[in-house]
Amino acid sequence: AQTVTQSQPEMSVQEAETVTLSCTYDTSENNYYLFWYKQPPSRQMILVIRQEAYKQQNATENRFSVNFQKAAKSFSLKISDSQLGDTAMYFCAFMKLKGPNSGYALNFGKGTSLLVTP
Amino acid sequence: ETGVTQTPRHLVMGMTNKKSLKCEQHLGHNAMYWYKQSAKKPLELMFVYNFKEQTENNSVPSRFSPECPNSSHLFLHLHTLQPEDSALYLCASSQEIWGPRSTDTQYFGPGTRLTVL
Repeated sequence: AQTVTQSQPEMSVQEAETVTLSCTYDTSENNYYLFWYKQPPSRQMILVIRQEAYKQQNATENRFSVNFQKAAKSFSLKISDSQLGDTAMYFCAFMKLKGPNSGYALNFGKGTSLLVTP
Repeated sequence: ETGVTQTPRHLVMGMTNKKSLKCEQHLGHNAMYWYKQSAKKPLELMFVYNFKEQTENNSVPSRFSPECPNSSHLFLHLHTLQPEDSALYLCASSQEIWGPRSTDTQYFGPGTRLTVL
């Protein structure tokens, strides 16, 4: 079974600053995908960024980027120029590659609550 | 976000009631999922449907009964629930793409906040 660990239950950052959320995972798989999801107080879970394990290049999406260290099984999320709207729970998730005609199951961490302050 | 909708958004029920949660996806996806989100716990996968066929049942008690009549709709029928079943129930959908390096993103609905008295 895959486990995902987010060691920071809560974090805060000032507006316009940079913050890094950590995530580690445990798996024996070689091919898999990693995701960061954001869940604002409105409760809609939104994809922030994803990374394919076979890609060495770190994924980036505007102000969001990851530091993917496959050997260390680490997948941290960096948010640059933090905005008030970034306040949310952030979940790291793991998905292993599965066969045809089977769904793709996500394994989630417990989440990090990020507060962006003015 | 209107790609995945869930109704009702809030539900309060007694332990002897029977109710159903509904999920509808408008993204043309072929896989749908039910997750349970409890306080202080990671999201827990409950069921996976792929092409209307159930492919995973994650040791969920029989008081939860899923139904997937077509690729766009997913139901979760509830009966004889316990107070510890109170949680946020999230539906998600994805487009399964099979291949050696296929990738797939799950899109979530807003959830149904369930309270069992």
